[in-house]
Amino acid sequence: SQTIHQWPATLVQPVGSPLSLECTVEGTSNPNLYWYRQAAGRGLQLLFYSVGIGQISSEVPQNLSASRPQDRQFILSSKKLLLSDSGFYLCAWTKDRGLYGYTFGSGTRLTV
Amino acid sequence: AQSVSQHNHHVILSEAASLELGCNYSYGGTVNLFWYVQYPGQHLQLLLKYFSGDPLVKGIKGFEAEFIKSKFSFNLRKPSVQWSDTAEYFCAVNDRGSNTGKLIFGQGTTLQVKP
Repeated sequence: SQTIHQWPATLVQPVGSPLSLECTVEGTSNPNLYWYRQAAGRGLQLLFYSVGIGQISSEVPQNLSASRPQDRQFILSSKKLLLSDSGFYLCAWTKDRGLYGYTFGSGTRLTV
Repeated sequence: AQSVSQHNHHVILSEAASLELGCNYSYGGTVNLFWYVQYPGQHLQLLLKYFSGDPLVKGIKGFEAEFIKSKFSFNLRKPSVQWSDTAEYFCAVNDRGSNTGKLIFGQGTTLQVKP
C-alpha cells in the first residue's frame, strides 16, 4: 500500500539553529512531492515541489530549502531558523497530475 | 498564477442548518477542483473532487459541490450539518495542463457546529 511518513511530529528549536524535516513515501515510484506550511487563517501555503530526483522548485522566497536525494525522499532544511519559521509543515505526494488524489503526511509542528 | 479565495473564514451553525461555503479561483486555464476537510487533530481528508463531466459533484458524508465555470466557483454544500462536521475546510485547485501537479489551497474556513 502507499504510505507517507513524516517526522518528527513535533520539534522545538532555538532561533539560529539548523533544521531538517524528512518525508518518505512508500509503495509508489517517481511521485511528485510537495512541502506545505499551514498557518492559522492562511490555509496551506505551498513552499516547494519536486517532479523528480534533484529537481526542486521554490514557490515563495524564504529561509528554507528543500532537497530530493532519492526518488521517494523529500527533505526540508534550514541553516539558521527564524522565529517566523514556526508553523505546521506538511509533506504530500501525488501522481498523474493529481488525478488520483493527493496523500498528505501527518505533519510536523515546529516551534522556534 | 493560480489563486484560491474562500470568503468565509469562520462559520458557526446550529445542527440541522444548511451549509454553503464559498470558493472562487483565479486561473485562465483548465483546472481540477478539490475540497479537503481537516477534523481537529487529524490529517487532511479529501471530501470531493471535480475533474470533468457533471458539474455537481457528490462527496463523502453528504457533502456536494457545484462547479460553475462562468463564475470560477466551486462552492461546498450540505443540506443538514451535524456536530461532527466541526472542522476546517479547504478548497484547492490544480492546473490540469501542468505536470507539476501543484495543488493551491484557499485560506480555509473553520466551521463550528453547535449541538
